[in-house]
Amino acid sequence: EIELTQSPGTLSLSPGERATLSCRASQSVADSRIVWYQQKPGQAPRLLIFGASNRATGIPDRFSGSGSGTDFTLTISRLEPEDFAVYYCQQYGSSLPMCTFGQGTKLEIK
Amino acid sequence: QVLLQESGPGLVKPSETVSLTCTVSDDSIDSHYYNWIRQPAGKGLEWIGRIFSSGSTNYNPSLKSRVTMSVDTSKNQFSLQLSSVTAADTAVYYCARSPPSAIIGWFDPWGQGTLVTVSS
Repeated sequence: EIELTQSPGTLSLSPGERATLSCRASQSVADSRIVWYQQKPGQAPRLLIFGASNRATGIPDRFSGSGSGTDFTLTISRLEPEDFAVYYCQQYGSSLPMCTFGQGTKLEIK
Repeated sequence: QVLLQESGPGLVKPSETVSLTCTVSDDSIDSHYYNWIRQPAGKGLEWIGRIFSSGSTNYNPSLKSRVTMSVDTSKNQFSLQLSSVTAADTAVYYCARSPPSAIIGWFDPWGQGTLVTVSS
């Protein structure tokens, strides 16, 4: 099964800065089938990006996703106070009906 | 906007079977897959499995021997049974919708989650 490794584990930035979060797969993810979620304390995850680069409905354009093969990136162009949360990537590129998640990156206020 | 609501017993004893239900607010239960995903406190997410309205299921191989999912379209509900639970099964359990395709896809929306604690 494809394993996902997210880095860094924790990212400390200030509002207004640019955030770059990485998700690396143990093998190539077919058709860039990578998803990004945001999770705030006590809440369910929220879909941000699907298919590596497609923003979900209602997601601000400061969020963008990119990448292919084994390396994927979530970029937040200019951090707003509400963006500080944990971010997870997920892959659904397996030939089997299966998916896995990364371990998460915590984005905290510096 | 479809809403999902999980319900369950909260506390279950080791070796028992926990049963959870997810109620879907609209008739999309007929046209999408519905999934169970869990998250131990302070840890990451684990996909448990999914079910379609036809009753077709796919399970995570690591949990397959202990998982049973079912659907009741007349009530817009689907359910999860996890047997022989241990403390390692203590987690928040989420239900979430995914696209009607052979591949798993992405999860949106999610329920708010229900905490299951395994303890004697």
